[in-house]
This record gives sequence, C-alpha cells and structure tokens, in this order.
Amino acid sequence: EDQVTQSPEALRLQEGESSSLNCSYTVSGLRGLFWYRQDPGKGPEFLFTLYSAGEEKEKERLKATLTKKESFLHITAPKPEDSATYLCAVPSYYNTDKLIFGTGTRLQVFP
Amino acid sequence: KAGVTQTPRYLIKTRGQQVTLSCSPISGHRSVSWYQQTPGQGLQFLFEYFSETQRNKGNFPGRFSGRQFSNSRSEMNVSTLELGDSALYLCASRVGTSGKETQYFGPGTRLLVL
Repeated sequence: EDQVTQSPEALRLQEGESSSLNCSYTVSGLRGLFWYRQDPGKGPEFLFTLYSAGEEKEKERLKATLTKKESFLHITAPKPEDSATYLCAVPSYYNTDKLIFGTGTRLQVFP
Repeated sequence: KAGVTQTPRYLIKTRGQQVTLSCSPISGHRSVSWYQQTPGQGLQFLFEYFSETQRNKGNFPGRFSGRQFSNSRSEMNVSTLELGDSALYLCASRVGTSGKETQYFGPGTRLLVL
C-alpha cells in the first residue's frame, strides 16, 4: 500500500538554527514527490517537485533532496516567517490523480 | 493568471443538512481534484474531474458527490451531513504535462457541522 510518513510531527527552532524535515515513502513506483507549505486556515502552497534519486531543488532558505526511500527538506537559517506546516506527498502509483499526503511537520521558528 | 478559487470560504451547517461547495480551477485548466483535510486524518483524496467526467474517486461514502461543468468549474455536494464531515475542503488544479504534473490548491472551504 502506498504510504507517506513525515517526521518529526513538530519542530521548534530558534531563528537561524538550521534543521531538516524527513519524508519517507513507500510506493510501487515513484512518480514524483511533492513538498507543500501550509499556513493555518489556508490551502497548501506548492514548493518543490522531485522526480529521481539524487535530485535537489532550492528556494530561498529551503532545499529539498530525494533518495530512493525518503526526501529531506533542509531549512537553513530559518526566520519566523518560515513557521508553517510542511507537507510532502506522492502520487498513487495506480491513480496518479490521487496525491497521498503525509501528516506534516509543524514548524515553529522563534525570534 | 488567477489561481484556484473556492466559495464559500466558511460554512456552518447542522447535522442532516446538505451542502454544496464550489471550485474554479486555474484559467484554462480542465482538471479539478477535491480533498478533505481533518486534524485526525490529514489530507485525503475525494475525487477528480476532467472535462466534466469523474475519473477517480477516493474511499468516501456515497453522501459525497461532485460534478464538473463545461467551463471547468466544479461543485462538491455532501448530503445528510454528519459531525465528522467538519473539515477543510480543498480543491486543486493540475498543471503540467502527463507524468510531470503539479497540483495547485485553492484556499479551501472550512465546513463546520453542528
């Protein structure tokens, strides 16, 4: 069964304290891995798509990497405005219209 | 280019009532997917429409239904509401070429069932 697991559930960081969020996945065949950011009461905002092991994407203080079993979202020198829930998702192998989401990592960055 | 829009943004209903939510995809795009988000279950796929046809459906009871119009706008209907239907309902527009598509989400409709 296709599955996505994210850890940790919650992460508290001091401003400037770098860290990584983990997303491990089990799918019959990977057809992309997506990272989203979600602010309270809003819809998920697309960040990155990764398609193959070894691929990396960067955007401001965020960098996403992909291996054959997991993806990491590295946050370098975070700021309070990076506080949000970060979600990762993979398309179901047999139904690529359906995204399977992890439960997210709730990140809080304190000044 | 306008993003995905959803109306209304907030709804309060009582048990047993029915509700209709609306979603307009990104202009020019014909695919709309619906998801339910709850604190306990996270984001779960409801169904997907393309060119007025439902192509896929998630594991939800028949009380959840939808349709898509010729202008690509989509509606989702939930009949005989239950307390557990309280959730954020999100729709997404798929953009890209086959095999390299991204789903962009709207702001959601927050439904509270009392």
